[in-house]
Amino acid sequence: QSVLTQPPSASGTPGQRVTISCSGSSSNIGSNTVNWYQQLPGTAPKLLIYSNNQRPSGVPDRFSGSKSGTSASLAISGLQSEDEADYYCAAWDDSLNGPWVFGGGTKLTVL
Amino acid sequence: EVQLVQSGAEVKKPGESLKISCKGSGYSFTSYWIGWVRQMPGKGLEWMGIIYPGDSDTRYSPSFQGQVTISADKSISTAYLQWSSLKASDTAMYYCVRRDYDSSLGLDAFDIWGQGTMVTVSS
Repeated sequence: QSVLTQPPSASGTPGQRVTISCSGSSSNIGSNTVNWYQQLPGTAPKLLIYSNNQRPSGVPDRFSGSKSGTSASLAISGLQSEDEADYYCAAWDDSLNGPWVFGGGTKLTVL
Repeated sequence: EVQLVQSGAEVKKPGESLKISCKGSGYSFTSYWIGWVRQMPGKGLEWMGIIYPGDSDTRYSPSFQGQVTISADKSISTAYLQWSSLKASDTAMYYCVRRDYDSSLGLDAFDIWGQGTMVTVSS
């Protein structure tokens, strides 16, 4: 059971906007920044969003992140077939769980 | 190019020992923390521990403390993850990651990932 809670699955059609949620607590998301990682099938994860809403160079602006209180969200607009992947949120945790914790991951299917 | 290159897949028997490696290149190896992340078959990511090669300061997740040992040899820019006695439940893909940290930017993320090392433990 992961410290950060994500829905196990999400789906959308090409061109649609989808969001993936990540719920935590005061010891992690509530007091630290959130990162998101994308894992394409059969590959290593890649940093997608850092510091709640910043994109590393090379990440399309279709991907955006936000945080409010003890929850965070990843939004993908203009969904494309190549966005089909697993998405993980992560944060520093100030409690004995940490210092880093991941969400359980959300499998995004492009219909 | 900044990269982490991991050692190849391993097949071991329960009770055997193992040490896998992660070689950094293209950056100052002693200036960034290197962590390890486990992914069991069909499952999510779990943070195991992290080391600062500059001074070998090491932290472990409570779930992995005492189960594995993380070390680094800065002379060859390589970090290691080792087991003294493997179990079938150690079967997983293991990733090394570089921690990019800048408090002034609010940045604390695993920005570079190795390609992964698959460890299979079976009798």
